[in-house]
Amino acid sequence: GAVVSQHPSWVICKSGTSVKIECRSLDFQATTMFWYRQFPKQSLMLMATSNEGSKATYEQGVEKDKFLINHASLTLSTLTVTSAHPEDSSFYICSARDMSGAETQYFGPGTRLLVL
Amino acid sequence: AQSVTQPDIHITVSEGASLELRCNYSYGATPYLFWYVQSPGQGLQLLLKYFSGDTLVQGIKGFEAEFKRSQSSFNLRKPSVHWSDAAEYFCAVGPGRTGTASKLTFGTGTRLQVTL
Repeated sequence: GAVVSQHPSWVICKSGTSVKIECRSLDFQATTMFWYRQFPKQSLMLMATSNEGSKATYEQGVEKDKFLINHASLTLSTLTVTSAHPEDSSFYICSARDMSGAETQYFGPGTRLLVL
Repeated sequence: AQSVTQPDIHITVSEGASLELRCNYSYGATPYLFWYVQSPGQGLQLLLKYFSGDTLVQGIKGFEAEFKRSQSSFNLRKPSVHWSDAAEYFCAVGPGRTGTASKLTFGTGTRLQVTL
């Protein structure tokens, strides 16, 4: 149980285009999902907290107009990197919080984005 | 503010040897504590977690961790390491019983190398 998927697993795009990444909780419902960014050989940096049916909460320094988050259902959150630039190239990981109240986050396999 | 310190950036052990990865946290009350493992290019897998109760917690893959309040530590241990344990290990702390979506704070990670 507690499986989280991400799609796509990797994406290459041209500078200026937008890229959408999906995060799904496959066998549980998640009112809250989190989006992280990870640079090579570094720890995870929380970008935003995604709440089902409401606006996402962004961490300081993260541009909300750059990284659009939509949490349309209890099993799906999407992150759209708008007008991507090479500096947006990174490994993006989502997690979903188990609604049972166990306060545990389960992570997706990550999406590697390369912007040319 | 909560913080997590993993003092060892890189550890090398021989297969079959015992392992201890250190984690120290800073938080005003008793936090929720987690250990995650990340293989190259993959997401994070939950190894174990501590919320309350018995301070020695058992996890998957033969790992265990001990919460020591007096030392603000939550060290991860395994009695006999397997070559497949080579990965990056992250300690994380959550703010405990908040009743709301709990943001995790991650340590910088410890890379484990296993020699045959």
